[in-house]
Amino acid sequence: DIQLTQSPSTLSASVGDRVTITCRASQSISTWLAWYQQKPGKAPNLLIYKASSLESGVPSRFSGSGSGTEFTLTVSSLQPDDFATYYCQQYENYNTFGQGTKLEIK
Amino acid sequence: QVQLQESGPGLVKPSQTLSLTCNVSGGSISNDAYYWSWIRQPAGKGLEWIGRVHASGSTKYNPSLKSRVTISGDTSKNQFSLNLRSVTAADTAVYYCARGVSGEGVPPRYYFDYWGQGALVTVSS
Repeated sequence: DIQLTQSPSTLSASVGDRVTITCRASQSISTWLAWYQQKPGKAPNLLIYKASSLESGVPSRFSGSGSGTEFTLTVSSLQPDDFATYYCQQYENYNTFGQGTKLEIK
Repeated sequence: QVQLQESGPGLVKPSQTLSLTCNVSGGSISNDAYYWSWIRQPAGKGLEWIGRVHASGSTKYNPSLKSRVTISGDTSKNQFSLNLRSVTAADTAVYYCARGVSGEGVPPRYYFDYWGQGALVTVSS
């Protein structure tokens, strides 16, 4: 089983801040990693795939990087709509998700 | 625009079988570029992939659930289904269906670009 560990579990930030969320894999997954945003009561929404490819329609303030076992999701300038929970997903072997990072307003 | 919609009973008794159907519109489950998955999320917790079916009929399941799960597709109705046997309270969750889009590589690796809105299933007597 490939385990994903996200940090931090909770992140407090303000509108306009630059924030970074980290996802670490228990073994190398090359760049087979996606990031999702989930708001309460809603399905997850795809932001990034293949570690750094931006999904169509997703604002360019979202970016992803990394390979192997360490990955990051960065939001360059937080907007009010960005406060949500973020999940990483590996798809190198089966599919597993990180435990989530809740981004809350400071 | 691809849309997915889950349907099925919202309440299932312990030891019985949970059955859900995902109706797909705006795209065909016969398209071999995609992998049709079920994913669940207990209240306040993270996401767990249950398994998937491909247009070829091939299936793959989460090893932790494999002994209790069957996923199948019905191309005539453009829908796919989940059966989870011998449920317990631990299976209470929101169940999502999702479309997996394949990147390069063998075996196929896929992330999820379209999701249903989710269906809450409670296991209780």
